Amino acid sequence: EVVLTQSPGTLSLSPGERATLSCRASQSVSSRYIAWYQQKPGQAPRLLIYAASSRATGIPDRFSGSGSGTDFTLTISRLEPEDFAVYYCQHYGTSSWTFGQGTKVEIK
Amino acid sequence: QVQLAQSGSELKEPGASVKVSCKASGYTFTTYGMNWVRQAPGQGLEWMGWINTNTGNPTYAQDFTGRFVFSLDTSVSTAYLQISSLKAEDTAVYYCARGPAYWGQGTLVTVSS
Repeated sequence: EVVLTQSPGTLSLSPGERATLSCRASQSVSSRYIAWYQQKPGQAPRLLIYAASSRATGIPDRFSGSGSGTDFTLTISRLEPEDFAVYYCQHYGTSSWTFGQGTKVEIK
Repeated sequence: QVQLAQSGSELKEPGASVKVSCKASGYTFTTYGMNWVRQAPGQGLEWMGWINTNTGNPTYAQDFTGRFVFSLDTSVSTAYLQISSLKAEDTAVYYCARGPAYWGQGTLVTVSS
């Protein structure tokens, strides 16, 4: 089973700053099956990135994903007020899913 | 457009059972499997497993065997999650999800006496 470890646990930044979130897998995985989500309180997770680097429909281009093997990154180029939320990475394999524990991006 | 509409919040006593529904629309129901995800209060996302909507075959994650049952009614394009012998620690929001892109709105199940 793939274990995903996200870092940092909390990221304190100001609007306009760049956010870099990390997701490390316990074993090499296909980047085809790595996704990133944003979740705000009381809402369902919202898909941002799939296949490690493809933006989902309607997602602004300030969100980008990269990585391969065991190391994946979500970058928010310039934080907007609505971007302060919890972010999860996910491995959506053919027979199981795994989520990271989440990174909270909070206003500094 | 693809939509997954879940049933409303539930308040149950310990030891009772609950059945959460997830009604799909906007696509052919039996073409895609349905996943279930749990989120306890203030916690992260836990994958519970999935059900093959074509064959009805369920797959449960390791922590969700025994009291958790996935089922279908394909005539109404609906997937179900039933939890029996409810415990306080089952208090959570339960989501259905058709792949990464499409999620239900979540159903809060509260277990309390």
